[in-house]
Amino acid sequence: NAGVTQTPKFRILKIGQSMTLQCTQDMNHNYMYWYRQDPGMGLKLIYYSVGAGITDKGEVPNGYNVSRSTTEDFPLRLELAAPSQTSVYFCASSGTDISSYEQYFGPGTRLTVT
Amino acid sequence: KQEVTQIPAALSVPEGENLVLNCSFTDSAIYNLQWFRQDPGKGLTSLLLIQSSQREQTSGRLNASLDKSSGRSTLYIAASQPGDSATYLCRDNFNKFYFGSGTKLNVKP
Repeated sequence: NAGVTQTPKFRILKIGQSMTLQCTQDMNHNYMYWYRQDPGMGLKLIYYSVGAGITDKGEVPNGYNVSRSTTEDFPLRLELAAPSQTSVYFCASSGTDISSYEQYFGPGTRLTVT
Repeated sequence: KQEVTQIPAALSVPEGENLVLNCSFTDSAIYNLQWFRQDPGKGLTSLLLIQSSQREQTSGRLNASLDKSSGRSTLYIAASQPGDSATYLCRDNFNKFYFGSGTKLNVKP
């Protein structure tokens, strides 16, 4: 099992550009999450999904969009990149309830917006 | 909104020392409290989960305690090793999964 995979690993965007961060899990988990981590800080929840077709906002959703058309994939879309979105983005998944002990994290995508 | 604070932000200790990492939270209505380890450039690895009805959990050299009335959790690491060097994060698993900012631990050989 690959677990949770994220692409790309690194990306540099210009202000106003758009991009999609990809996240895929092969554990047949219902729950998936997107977090961002700013330097020296903990992670903040951006969006989460409890199953295909169902998404909800986390603590910091502004400037992002998500979709969940399949169980495996949970892409995160940045429409108009801003310097404040420079961060490391982590995707995670879990198989049971939303507060499950077993949240599996991907390795992260480091995004710089200049 | 829940505020989760971790002090100190960084800690350097010699190998073999016992140490305590602190996590405090403002809202005692937590579901459960979880401790993670993060290695540089990597995602998070779960260490211990304490249910709100529990006082502590142990795994090997790690012991985590929870005192909801005082809004505190501690992670005790016994006989620290250089391999324990990492950033340790605590998280309130209720609602929006509020993380602390972490304690960066360096264990010197």
